[in-house]
Amino acid sequence: GAGVSQSPRYKVTKRGQDVALRCDPISGHVSLYWYRQALGQGPEFLTYFNYEAQQDKSGLPNDRFSAERPEGSISTLTIQRTEQRDSAMYRCASSPRQGSPEAFFGQGTRLTVV
Amino acid sequence: QQQVKQSPQSLIVQKGGISIINCAYENTAFDYFPWYQQFPGKGPALLIAIRPDVSEKKEGRFTISFNKSAKQFSLHIMDSQPGDSATYFCAAAETGSGAGSYQLTFGKGTKLSVIP
Repeated sequence: GAGVSQSPRYKVTKRGQDVALRCDPISGHVSLYWYRQALGQGPEFLTYFNYEAQQDKSGLPNDRFSAERPEGSISTLTIQRTEQRDSAMYRCASSPRQGSPEAFFGQGTRLTVV
Repeated sequence: QQQVKQSPQSLIVQKGGISIINCAYENTAFDYFPWYQQFPGKGPALLIAIRPDVSEKKEGRFTISFNKSAKQFSLHIMDSQPGDSATYFCAAAETGSGAGSYQLTFGKGTKLSVIP
């Protein structure tokens, strides 16, 4: 595809359930980022991969959040034992080269925890 | 601690006018300053970006002005059009050697409305 693809677009889950959010970056892009965007706010950094290596996870809010990119392409952000405060838009972005700060964002997954 | 402060929160400009959005940053290690444009239901799209070694960068109707000593940068949209109506985010990243992830720190956004 031409852009960063995220699925599902919308996810409603009950408190306490686990969710997995998928990101398919632009083909050939080396770096992949996860951000979280609250309503009316700018995106906030969660974690970053170069190829399959998770280089920075300093933005993950707690140990219920984890991410992987096992083959250096598709990535999954997993939230365990979801809480209402996890409700937000989760955005994935990719960059063409390691060390390139240019980030191309997907349309996001809107997560609602009820 | 908010590292990138953006103003105004909302802006209404008449068609043909100049839209100006301002941002200020605190981290002097930031060395990459992009602006993103976001339409409703879409992800942020990179609009224009600047490095601190220049004071101005122009692409079409969009200009970034950068003041390193004041730690401020701004986006100017000349001849604003209704199609420019969107939310604009400034951001900053530290890309120097050893910086690691080049994570973007975003401002809170400015909702621009251009009225005919």
